Amino acid sequence: EVQLVESGGGLVKPGGSLRLSCATAGFTFSSYSINWVRQAPGKGLEWVSSISSSSTYIDYAESVKGRFTISRDNAKNQIYLQMNSLRVEDTAVYYCTREAYGVVDYWGQGTLVSVSS
Amino acid sequence: QAVVTQEPSLTVSPGGTVTLTCGSNTGAVTSGHYPFWFQQKPGQAPRTLIYDASKKHSWTPARFSGSLLGGKAALTLSGAQPEDEAEYYCMLSYRGARVFGTGTKVTVL
Repeated sequence: EVQLVESGGGLVKPGGSLRLSCATAGFTFSSYSINWVRQAPGKGLEWVSSISSSSTYIDYAESVKGRFTISRDNAKNQIYLQMNSLRVEDTAVYYCTREAYGVVDYWGQGTLVSVSS
Repeated sequence: QAVVTQEPSLTVSPGGTVTLTCGSNTGAVTSGHYPFWFQQKPGQAPRTLIYDASKKHSWTPARFSGSLLGGKAALTLSGAQPEDEAEYYCMLSYRGARVFGTGTKVTVL
């Protein structure tokens, strides 16, 4: 069974940092790209970042460029999202999604990040 | 950044048909945008229904179909069921970056 499980969310003050993790199981992790997508409370979905299977291709939304860093550890089957200089508007549920050959299929259940003083 | 627009809300009768659309402010939506459609019910993670404009996953109910129509991506629900009441999002690709649509709330009533 394909599983993606996000963790690392929590409450942080503006300007602070958090590192999210996406633990995976049930598939050959090193063959898949992974995306981070977020959803602010009561709002729509926003693509945040993507990393290819070998980390060759990495992309970020303009709203997080320079503040967030995506990475992966193919030995541990995990994806990370390092979030620095957090802003109130980064408050959201963060989801990781699996992708191969441009096809997004499975989603995790999400982890909540709250940025507030 | 591109802006992707969807109808804010649509209502369909049980057993009826409804079409949702997904447009881009950069011009016509084409297969090169690799359109996706996702379904999200309250309190749940999104679920992928359609990829590459019209391809379905194994779990996508047959009553959902995707297409390119009049310069937009479209999602048609034929034979709506009460469980189809949800928010639907499209997503388009722009040379590596992805942009989600604004979402359509579908009510089955």
